Formats: sequence, structure tokens, C-alpha cells
Amino acid sequence: NAGVTQTPKFQVLKTGQSMTLQCAQDMNHEYMSWYRQDPGMGLRLIHYSVGAGITDQGEVPNGYNVSRSTTEDFPLRLLSAAPSQTSVYFCASSYSPGQPQHFGDGTRLSIL
Amino acid sequence: DQQVKQNSPSLSVQEGRISILNCDYTNSMFDYFLWYKKYPAEGPTFLISISSIKDKNEDGRFTVFLNKSAKHLSLHIVPSQPGDSAVYFCATGGATNKLIFGTGTLLAVQP
Repeated sequence: NAGVTQTPKFQVLKTGQSMTLQCAQDMNHEYMSWYRQDPGMGLRLIHYSVGAGITDQGEVPNGYNVSRSTTEDFPLRLLSAAPSQTSVYFCASSYSPGQPQHFGDGTRLSIL
Repeated sequence: DQQVKQNSPSLSVQEGRISILNCDYTNSMFDYFLWYKKYPAEGPTFLISISSIKDKNEDGRFTVFLNKSAKHLSLHIVPSQPGDSAVYFCATGGATNKLIFGTGTLLAVQP
């Protein structure tokens, strides 16, 4: 029973590099989302998806790109990494809006 | 502008006593509230929720209280156990499930 799986767990990038954070869930959940957690800030919503082919922006979308080609996968792309994107990234899913979300264990990303 | 506030960054409680974690929100349109618990190096896990049609919801040792007029909710843990030591986040989200999180409270339960 894997739940929400995020890869990699840790990553160090140089400024300007691109990268994709992977997120997969095996619960057949329609709703998926990406959050970032920064010290003293709680978790903030980056992008979310209510189903395959449908995505929308959250509170802090700039510098990130998403797509949802399957129900299971929801990758997050950093197009040109910046030090301000150093953070812990969490992916979450739920069966539908209004249901509590299940979170992955996070990707710790450092950008030098 | 913080829409969901947890004003206590940390709380220390003796094992067996009650832990009370507090959360304030600004928008009276928020109608669904959740508490998540987070251990280091893990993702948040859902603990308990309450909708605005209720003022109390219980699940075992955990009870959430909602005071809509004061825009305040609290989580009570009775009795507190050392395994409850974690960061607790309150969050609000409506039908869109776009959660807004507070900044978290680190609970330490002393044996």
C-alpha cells in the first residue's frame, strides 16, 4: 500500500538548472496538488489538478510548471531553478475535493 | 497576509496532561477545517476535521472545537502521550480543496 510516492527525496541543483519532481499515487485519486514548506511559512499551494488533463494555479505558482496526463502521476517542473526555490516540496492527493488529502514524504530541494 | 494563524510556535506538556493547540482564521467564509500532524522527514498526516455546521468533533483522544464568532479553532489531546510529539498544522479548505495552512505548532510531550 504505497499511497503517495515522491522522488527524489533529496536534490541539489545549481541556479539555472531544470528539474522534474515526481509524484505518483496508487489510490485512484482524482485530486492532486503540490505544496512547498518554508521555515515559518507553513505549507503553500503551488499547483493543483482535479483530474487528468486539468490543472490550475495555487498561491505560489511562479517558476513552476505542471501537467497531468494520467490519474496516477503529477510531476512538478522547475524550468530554471533559483535559490528562492530552495524548500521542501510535498505532493498530496485525495479522492475528491472536500476529502482530507494524503501527503507524500516530501522532496528536500537545495538550489545553490 | 496570513489567513490562518497559529500564534504559538511551540508547546510543552507533561505526559498524561491535556494539550491545547490553537488556530485563528480571518475569513468567515471558510467552512471546513482540518488538523494535520507532521513528524520530521515525513509528510503531514490527517488527524481530524470539522465543518462549520458543527462546533465540536471527537475522535478518540483528539477533539476539535470551532468557535465561528471568534474565528477560532482548537485541538485538544487528552491524555497527551510522548508519541504525540510532532508539529501540528491547522488548515482550511472548502469544496475546491485548496488548503490554506497555518505555520504550525511544535508539541513536545515530556515523559
